[in-house]
Amino acid sequence: DIQVTQSPNSLSASVADRVTITCRTSEIISNYVNWYQQKPGEGLRLLIYGASTLASGVPSRFSGSGSGTDFTLSISSLQPDDFATYYCQASYTAPYIFGQGTKLEVK
Amino acid sequence: QVQLRQSGPGLVKPSGTLSLKCVVSGVSLSSSNWWSWIRQSPGQGPEWIGEVYHSGATNYNPSLRSRLTISIDNSKNQFSLQMTSMTAADTAVYYCVQRTSGHWSKFFQQWGQGSLVIVSS
Repeated sequence: DIQVTQSPNSLSASVADRVTITCRTSEIISNYVNWYQQKPGEGLRLLIYGASTLASGVPSRFSGSGSGTDFTLSISSLQPDDFATYYCQASYTAPYIFGQGTKLEVK
Repeated sequence: QVQLRQSGPGLVKPSGTLSLKCVVSGVSLSSSNWWSWIRQSPGQGPEWIGEVYHSGATNYNPSLRSRLTISIDNSKNQFSLQMTSMTAADTAVYYCVQRTSGHWSKFFQQWGQGSLVIVSS
């Protein structure tokens, strides 16, 4: 199975900061990476698919990049609603593996 | 608007069988989507369980394959999960999810509300 490693595990930041979360896969998977947001007590919300395509309704401050084995999720100017946990997910082939998550907290 | 509404027991006895159903509205199960089950144990990242296509074809997580049956009923626009030999390690929130494919992409687009399943006697 493909291994997925996210970093950092947690991140402290302030409103208006720019933050970046990274995701590394153990195999080359082209751009088959997706990013999700999860708030406490809620399900996952799709943010980015195909490494860089913004899902419908997602604010443009979110962006994704990367190809091969290294991928990033960036939030250009943090808003209060963005403090949550973020997961990357490799989707090249089953089984579809999620990263362990990055918890974004208020500094 | 696509909606997934799941149902099933919240408590399962050790060694018992979990049965969950997911009713889909806003899209036909016969569309070009796979229909997945994903779970998330407390404090952990999500784990993909398996998926079914409208033809009945399935893909399962190898780590769970021997315990799984995922089936589909196109006439009722619903799909189901059965997982046998449940243990405390299977305690989690279970989600039914629509998996969509696009150009150079496959992603989990629409999620059910989640069902907390506790394995306990």
